[in-house]
Amino acid sequence: ILNVEQSPQSLHVQEGDSTNFTCSFPSSNFYALHWYRWETAKSPEALFVMTLNGDEKKKGRISATLNTKEGYSYLYIKGSQPEDSATYLCAFNNAGNMLTFGGGTRLMVKP
Amino acid sequence: SAVISQKPSRDICQRGTSLTIQCQVDSQVTMMFWYRQQPGQSLTLIATANQGSEATYESGFVIDKFPISRPNLTFSTLTVSNMSPEDSSIYLCSVDRGLITEAFFGQGTRLTVV
Repeated sequence: ILNVEQSPQSLHVQEGDSTNFTCSFPSSNFYALHWYRWETAKSPEALFVMTLNGDEKKKGRISATLNTKEGYSYLYIKGSQPEDSATYLCAFNNAGNMLTFGGGTRLMVKP
Repeated sequence: SAVISQKPSRDICQRGTSLTIQCQVDSQVTMMFWYRQQPGQSLTLIATANQGSEATYESGFVIDKFPISRPNLTFSTLTVSNMSPEDSSIYLCSVDRGLITEAFFGQGTRLTVV
């Protein structure tokens, strides 16, 4: 059983605050690390798929880093907005087609 | 990309009954995946559905409880059989295009068993 952990479980921030969350995963047999945003009553939507150690990806105010040697990834949101409120999921792929998901970080941004 | 239509979006069911969830993809895909998220838990893979063969179930999930159909390359169903309150979850179907590409999901089915 692969262990993918996310922290914190939930987070409340004020509009305009910057925030970050962590995903830890097994450092062996790494293939890819995925980040998804899941808003209530909608489909989870891919943010990033990361494959290279040291990789850093950015999409607007959201960015992510990857350390495959120590088995962690950070997701950063700069200047949080109420529309960023969602559950953020990371998922680990160890060279099978199967994704193993973390428990998610539920972000709530207060106006 | 892939667009997946999943229905129903939610249902409230009596214990002992069964519910079939459908997913329709706008393009042909080799594998479709069915996930469950119980309250407060991670998204967990139930099974992988391949067209033309039996689904492959993950540990803790069995065909009698979660029969899956995959009649063609764009459609799949998952049935939750003989439901109990412990089956109350969000069920999601998913597809992907390869090992390092993003996965695409249906909108989810929020099931409550009373």
